Amino acid sequence: QPVLTQSSSASASLGSSVKLTCTLSSGHSSYIIAWHQQQPGKAPRYLMKLEGSGSYNRGSGVPDRFSGSSSGADRYLTISNLQSEDEADYYCETWDSNTYVFGTGTKVSVL
Amino acid sequence: EVQLVQSGAEVKKPGESLKISCKGSGYSFTSYWIGWVRQMPGKGLEWMGIIYPGDSDTRYSPSFQGQVTISADKSISTAYLQWSSLKASDTAMYYCARRGDGYNLGYWGQGTLVTVSS
Repeated sequence: QPVLTQSSSASASLGSSVKLTCTLSSGHSSYIIAWHQQQPGKAPRYLMKLEGSGSYNRGSGVPDRFSGSSSGADRYLTISNLQSEDEADYYCETWDSNTYVFGTGTKVSVL
Repeated sequence: EVQLVQSGAEVKKPGESLKISCKGSGYSFTSYWIGWVRQMPGKGLEWMGIIYPGDSDTRYSPSFQGQVTISADKSISTAYLQWSSLKASDTAMYYCARRGDGYNLGYWGQGTLVTVSS
């Protein structure tokens, strides 16, 4: 079963960029992941699916300020032109044989 | 448009039973797996289990196996999460989520808050 590791917090100024990392455990570096955003008091929202090649597909209505990239076992979510509404928790997710796992989440603060 | 609409908030006492629901619309309900996710107060997302409504094939996280039951009624496009004997530690927000066109979870319900208190 894969394990996903995320840093607990990140911060950046309004209008700048922030890059979040989700690291897959040993032996699972080729896995596809998904990123989800959870704004305070709201349900999670699917952002994108991200492959090990770096290819990604955003969900419907997700702004192109959100982009993905990959390097080895690391999967990244970059938020450009940071807005106040981007202040949220961000979770990565992966799966293996119809069982799923989430990372611990990264809290993004907009300064 | 894919929609997952969950049942309303519940307040229960320890030892009581409970069944919450998630109604899918805007797609073929029997063709996509639907999962359940727990979020305890102030904590992260935990995957509980998933069901394929087409044939009721169900998988559970080891952490939740035997603690809850996931089911579905395809005649009314609704998935369920149930407890036979609630504990205070079951107090949490519960989300249903449907797989997207790939394997990832791509659509979320609005959540059902379950509070268990004596």
